[in-house]
Amino acid sequence: DIVMTQTPLSLSVTPGQPASISCKSSQSLMHTDGKTYLSWHLQKPGQPPKLLIYEVSNRFSGVPDRFSGSGSGTDFTLKISRVEAEDVGLYYCMQRIQLPWTFGQGTKVEIK
Amino acid sequence: QVQLVESGGGVVQPGRSLRLSCAASGFTFSTYGMHWVRQAPGEGLEWVAAIWYDGSNKHHADSVKGRFTISRDNSKNTLYLQMNSLRAEDTALYYCTRGTPLGPTTTPPFDYWGQGTLVTVSS
Repeated sequence: DIVMTQTPLSLSVTPGQPASISCKSSQSLMHTDGKTYLSWHLQKPGQPPKLLIYEVSNRFSGVPDRFSGSGSGTDFTLKISRVEAEDVGLYYCMQRIQLPWTFGQGTKVEIK
Repeated sequence: QVQLVESGGGVVQPGRSLRLSCAASGFTFSTYGMHWVRQAPGEGLEWVAAIWYDGSNKHHADSVKGRFTISRDNSKNTLYLQMNSLRAEDTALYYCTRGTPLGPTTTPPFDYWGQGTLVTVSS
């Protein structure tokens, strides 16, 4: 199975400041079709997860542009340019290049 | 709009069975793959199973293989998860989530999730 490792596991951020989460995979997530199957999901307290970013850097419909994704191969980053109070929750990276699809452990983001 | 509504969770003794359902609406169910993902209390997300749009292919996580079976009824727009020989470690909130559609697409999977149904395995 592909292991997804996120750092840090928790993050306390002042509103308006940037935040960054790293995700590393144990194997390359680049498919032979040229796409890289890494996505980011946010789970707000008491809610199901929701899709933020897919294929490394594509923002899903309705996701604010303060969220951005980057990376390639096995190293990926989610950045929030200016954290807002509504951004608190657990952030997960996920790979879908190979079954079983696997998630990172989650990074808890809270507001200072 | 797209809706996924899970049901069928509850408290069950170890070794017993349970069947979860996920009623889909707001999209053409029969053209999408579907998945189950679970979350144990206080833990992260674990992919459980996936099924192709027409039910022709199914995949299960090793942790549930041989005990759980994913299926679907496209005439009822419903996804199922039959869970047999339940164990304490199966205790979790079970979510259904939409996969990728049939054919060439830019639509990503896991774009819509249900609210989840809680399964508690305890004697």
